[in-house]
Amino acid sequence: EADIYQTPRYLVIGTGKKITLECSQTMGHDKMYWYQQDPGMELHLIHYSYGVNSTEKGDLSSESTVSRIRTEHFPLTLESARPSHTSQYLCASSDGGLNYGYTFGSGTRLTVV
Amino acid sequence: KNQVEQSPQSLIILEGKNCTLQCNYTVSPFSNLRWYKQDTGRGPVSLTIMTFSENTKSNGRYTATLDADTKQSSLHITASQLSDSASYICVVLATDSWGKLQFGAGTQVVVTP
Repeated sequence: EADIYQTPRYLVIGTGKKITLECSQTMGHDKMYWYQQDPGMELHLIHYSYGVNSTEKGDLSSESTVSRIRTEHFPLTLESARPSHTSQYLCASSDGGLNYGYTFGSGTRLTVV
Repeated sequence: KNQVEQSPQSLIILEGKNCTLQCNYTVSPFSNLRWYKQDTGRGPVSLTIMTFSENTKSNGRYTATLDADTKQSSLHITASQLSDSASYICVVLATDSWGKLQFGAGTQVVVTP
């Protein structure tokens, strides 16, 4: 079944640690996105990719980085986590068709202590 | 200022009752408007997608309306169920945004027995 997967679902990590949030999709979508969402607030785009070896920064400035070496895989990395990075991170992909059908992952809730 | 404003911010309704959520947007020109349901700690799930030429679209007990002239949309929930408790997010795709969505902050709906 086509879907989009994020791991881990929850992560509690100490300040200064390096972390990678995984996102994979099985739908063959070229376009993938990372959003950051604080409780009760709207989603903010932090990174996006239109295909392999294509990555762009989103509307919200983020200290994280992304890579897109394979179509199905779009990991997000924080080199040195800080408490200000505590948030929910949502990955999404779209088919780029007329209506840009979007599919979201279940998210990773990150807590930096 | 967010280009997608939702009201109310939250509401509590009794099981079996109806409710209507509002969305006002300033995104222009826009390609389509979507309503998503987001359960706590999960990613958003699409309920409806409407292009600027559509006035209404239904998905089971959810009915969305769109007035592109006044830039307003509403989501009506009929005969609410406990499982309808979630955040409902209005999202607009601008015509020239290359697939990037503009999110509202959501309306938190709580259905009580």
